[in-house]
Amino acid sequence: DTAVSQTPKYLVTQMGNDKSIKCEQNLGHDTMYWYKQDSKKFLKIMFSYNNKELIINETVPNRFSPKSPDKAHLNLHINSLELGDSAVYFCASSQVFGGQGFGYTFGSGTRLTVV
Amino acid sequence: QKEVEQNSGPLSVPEGAIASLNCTYSDRGSQSFFWYRQYSGKSPELIMSIYSNGDKEDGRFTAQLNKASQYVSLLIRDSQPSDSATYLCAVKGADKLIFGTGTRLQVFP
Repeated sequence: DTAVSQTPKYLVTQMGNDKSIKCEQNLGHDTMYWYKQDSKKFLKIMFSYNNKELIINETVPNRFSPKSPDKAHLNLHINSLELGDSAVYFCASSQVFGGQGFGYTFGSGTRLTVV
Repeated sequence: QKEVEQNSGPLSVPEGAIASLNCTYSDRGSQSFFWYRQYSGKSPELIMSIYSNGDKEDGRFTAQLNKASQYVSLLIRDSQPSDSATYLCAVKGADKLIFGTGTRLQVFP
């Protein structure tokens, strides 16, 4: 059983298109995240949801819109894709929000290539 | 100054040696610290967490934390070629994990 699953694993698309990435976790965690990993391996947080409520919205272009229909799902929609959006996008979840916290469990990632 | 800093490497060690990976962080109020391993093309995998000053051992891995110096390290004993990966240090801020850029470790036979 996959704990955090993302689809699709690979996404190649043209500039200007709109695309979505889906994420689901079956760990019963309350908090889910989207991270972007650039070509230099730097993982930067984009969004965080706790029980369907948006908690973190980092400085991300508003072409990126997350949506959490329930606490087990977190999707990412990207409008008007640009070359600079090419990266690996990771979904993650954690058991505790705030406090001492626990480590995150990551999905397998979506490699987005904009051409 | 970056919030979490790591030497990007690569750190090359022979098989059987001890690999020492270091990380410094800027937020003195941080309480939770994590080490992730990421193989090429794969997702980060949690290998160690540490919350108190001192050492924490788990198999061949030892995490060390010194809050006064704002320093976290990971020691890998008896390094194996299968340990070759990028190791990411992560520090928990108020509401998110902040990652370093990772250190690439190469273990050669």
